[in-house]
Amino acid sequence: GIQVEQSPPDLILQEGANSTLRCNFSDSVNNLQWFHQNPWGQLINLFYIPSGTKQNGRLSATTVATERYSLLYISSSQTTDSGVYFCAVEGWRGSTLGRLYFGRGTQLTVWP
Amino acid sequence: GAVVSQHPSWVICKSGTSVKIECRSLDFQATTMFWYRQFPKQSLMLMATSNEGSKATYEQGVEKDKFLINHASLTLSTLTVTSAHPEDSSFYICSARILAGIYNEQFFGPGTRLTVL
Repeated sequence: GIQVEQSPPDLILQEGANSTLRCNFSDSVNNLQWFHQNPWGQLINLFYIPSGTKQNGRLSATTVATERYSLLYISSSQTTDSGVYFCAVEGWRGSTLGRLYFGRGTQLTVWP
Repeated sequence: GAVVSQHPSWVICKSGTSVKIECRSLDFQATTMFWYRQFPKQSLMLMATSNEGSKATYEQGVEKDKFLINHASLTLSTLTVTSAHPEDSSFYICSARILAGIYNEQFFGPGTRLTVL
């Protein structure tokens, strides 16, 4: 399989602060997704970003596929940003194709 | 956006009974759906890949006879936990994949919390 490592495991911020979450993966990928799991357990799609840079409001993401990492940036954080952020990848070859491999997530807590 | 629903959102049952969980893609067709299990404070663990019209592919260590999967249409997959026991209590999440050329993105249902007494 593909190993996916996320850092930091926990992040505590005050409202208004900026943060960067990192995702390293062990093999070439053809799919990389970032998710936010809210307190009720729902995974919300943030970005589909196998390569390049995307922005959506206060969130942006960059994937450098050749160096096997992706970054998720959260600017001007709000209390509603709290939750777990997951990175998940799908490989190109054999058994790694057709399924997502998840990291352990980053638990983000934003205080007012 | 792509919406995936799950029903029920939570269920409590007695040990030995069977529980069926439905996963539907509401605004798109999905030839492939996935079933995950998540324990508290942990990541998602893939249980099986469900392909429309064919048998599911189970991950190593997942009991096929315990977790029955049926993907009868392009918008519906079901997971039946047979003869449930307390150790089957968990949060079960399904996802459906949109596949178009090289575009390949999964969308997740809201999850089903199963408690077996």
